[in-house]
Amino acid sequence: EVQLVESGGGLVQPGGSLRLSCAASGFTFNTYGMNWVRLAPGKGLEWVSYISGGSTTIYYADSVRGRFTISRDNAKNSLYLQMNSLRAEDTAVYFCARDGPRTVPFDYWGQGTLVTVSS
Amino acid sequence: EIVLTQSPGTLSLSPGERVTLSCRASQSVSSNYLAWYQQKPGQAPRLLIYDASSRATGIPDRFSGSGSGTDFTLTISRLEPEDFAVYYCQQYGSSPWTFGQGTKVEIK
Repeated sequence: EVQLVESGGGLVQPGGSLRLSCAASGFTFNTYGMNWVRLAPGKGLEWVSYISGGSTTIYYADSVRGRFTISRDNAKNSLYLQMNSLRAEDTAVYFCARDGPRTVPFDYWGQGTLVTVSS
Repeated sequence: EIVLTQSPGTLSLSPGERVTLSCRASQSVSSNYLAWYQQKPGQAPRLLIYDASSRATGIPDRFSGSGSGTDFTLTISRLEPEDFAVYYCQQYGSSPWTFGQGTKVEIK
């Protein structure tokens, strides 16, 4: 059974940093691209970042480029999101989501971890 | 960046009714790489449709997707009580992947 479990969320002051983790199980992790997607209060879903299975391809949304860094450790079946220079508008539930096989997009999601940026 | 506009914003319906949700793209979606997701409060999104019209694994056949280019539709043939939720379209044909703002289907 595919499982994705996020951790690392919490309360942080504006300008601060946080590192999110996503532990994957139930599939061959290094053969799948992975994504971070967020849901801010009262807003819709926003794609944040993508990383390919071998980390050779990485994309970011304009809203986080230069502040967030996506990475993965295939030996540990884990995905990460390093978030620096956090702003109030980064407050959201952050989900990790797997890119499915062939042309299937985000087929499995974690339950999310809440990040609150506030003084 | 491709902007997706969903309509209507909210639908108030009764169980058993037919639902049609719209998603319009600001430019043509490459290879019709358009997906639909369902999200309930406090839960992760669930993939319903991909490639505009293919049902994801385990999705009931009352859900169907159609459209191409810039205009796409999600249809629920007969609303079940568990279908009341927010629905998002997403394009994954060109980076950045983008979502629509969502359509809430609520109980009338």
